Amino acid sequence: DTEVTQTPKHLVMGMTNKKSLKCEQHMGHRAMYWYKQKAKKPPELMFVYSYEKLSINESVPSRFSPECPNSSLLNLHLHALQPEDSALYLCASSLLGTGNYGYTFGSGTRLTVV
Amino acid sequence: AQTVTQSQPEMSVQEAETVTLSCTYDTSESDYYLFWYKQPPSRQMILVIRQEAYKQQNATENRFSVNFQKAAKSFSLKISDSQLGDAAMYFCAANYGGSQGNLIFGKGTKLSVKP
Repeated sequence: DTEVTQTPKHLVMGMTNKKSLKCEQHMGHRAMYWYKQKAKKPPELMFVYSYEKLSINESVPSRFSPECPNSSLLNLHLHALQPEDSALYLCASSLLGTGNYGYTFGSGTRLTVV
Repeated sequence: AQTVTQSQPEMSVQEAETVTLSCTYDTSESDYYLFWYKQPPSRQMILVIRQEAYKQQNATENRFSVNFQKAAKSFSLKISDSQLGDAAMYFCAANYGGSQGNLIFGKGTKLSVKP
């Protein structure tokens, strides 16, 4: 298995909803990442979970909260989002936390907040 | 500041021809890794090619090759024998040593391939 699997592929949610995005990999990678990508922009890092330690981009609002139940799974919990949070959310993993061997990306979740 | 710069928002190439996408970067680190990623409309980010900074030899993957000029901090991507399936957004990215695996992306170059 050489893939990063993201579910759902599309999500529409209201500003009062609570939802979760799921990311899973079975490549034995030790680091997983969440990126946010707005249209026609490069991805921006939100969270890194590497060797059981979570690192947070300080600019990410608290309405986004990551959870790592095990080394193969990284969830992103969403609560009280704003319309400007509508974007493509990409999950990635790497063999080592330093990304020496490249990053494998999932196909993303297209999130629309209404 | 550690940055990655792509100065070509859009490029176009005729099918079967060669095109070069430019990328420059800035870091004071001695240990870093450079990448080119392709993002087609299907939106999945696909690794095209990877270069370790300590290696002088330019990386090559089939029709894709890089021109890595370390002193000039330049990392361009050459696509030979362009195919319609090469049409996509191309991102240059860097992982600088000690950055906890953070990938820093350029703004991207949209490549069109004309039949």
